[in-house]
Amino acid sequence: QLQLQESGPGLVKPSETLSLTCSVSDDSISSFLYSWGWIRQPPGKGLEFIGSFYYNGITYYDPSLKSRVTISVDTSKNQFSMKLNSVTAADTAVYYCARGSVVTSLPLIYYMDVWGRGTTVTVSS
Amino acid sequence: EIVLTQSPGTLSLSPGERATLSCRASQIVSGAYLAWYQQKPGQAPRLLIHGAYSRATGIPDRFSGSGSGTDFTLTIGRLEPEDFAVYYCHQYGSSPYSFGQGTRVEIK
Repeated sequence: QLQLQESGPGLVKPSETLSLTCSVSDDSISSFLYSWGWIRQPPGKGLEFIGSFYYNGITYYDPSLKSRVTISVDTSKNQFSMKLNSVTAADTAVYYCARGSVVTSLPLIYYMDVWGRGTTVTVSS
Repeated sequence: EIVLTQSPGTLSLSPGERATLSCRASQIVSGAYLAWYQQKPGQAPRLLIHGAYSRATGIPDRFSGSGSGTDFTLTIGRLEPEDFAVYYCHQYGSSPYSFGQGTRVEIK
């Protein structure tokens, strides 16, 4: 059964860059059947889609974060990563990585079906 | 941007009762690409329904999804104790992808 595991610092200072990695338990990260994404949840609030990466290089970023976020994949390590720069307290959240099962590739449509357990990130000096 | 509005905010029911959760979109959800998730405290969301009515793998048949266009519903046929949680709808047919604010199903 596929497992995803987030890793990264739990505390980041304001204005710095948040870097998280998601380790995938098999090599499906290279498959055209899946995309790979990040979603976050501020304390006591709902879910926010951050962005995703598809095997052919297509990336999607939420417009509200597009100027600050980058998602990349390292297929040799079965990992994908997210960097969010210039963080503020508003970026404090639980960050989840997730797999997207592709419904169609043109246009690219997918739903997030397998999620990691999440990692808590606090932005504070 | 498609805004998803879930109602009610909180649903107070007893085990064995039927739960009906609503998700209304501000625009037509393309392809009925709408999913429902269940989230319990301290846990990641769990996919229940995708494509408006398709149950995810391993999801009991007391969970059912329906709807199209702008109005979608998640029905839990008979509430089991483990079903008390927060439920989110999510549209993935049009960018930016969006989630509803959630409906809490609590024990009455």
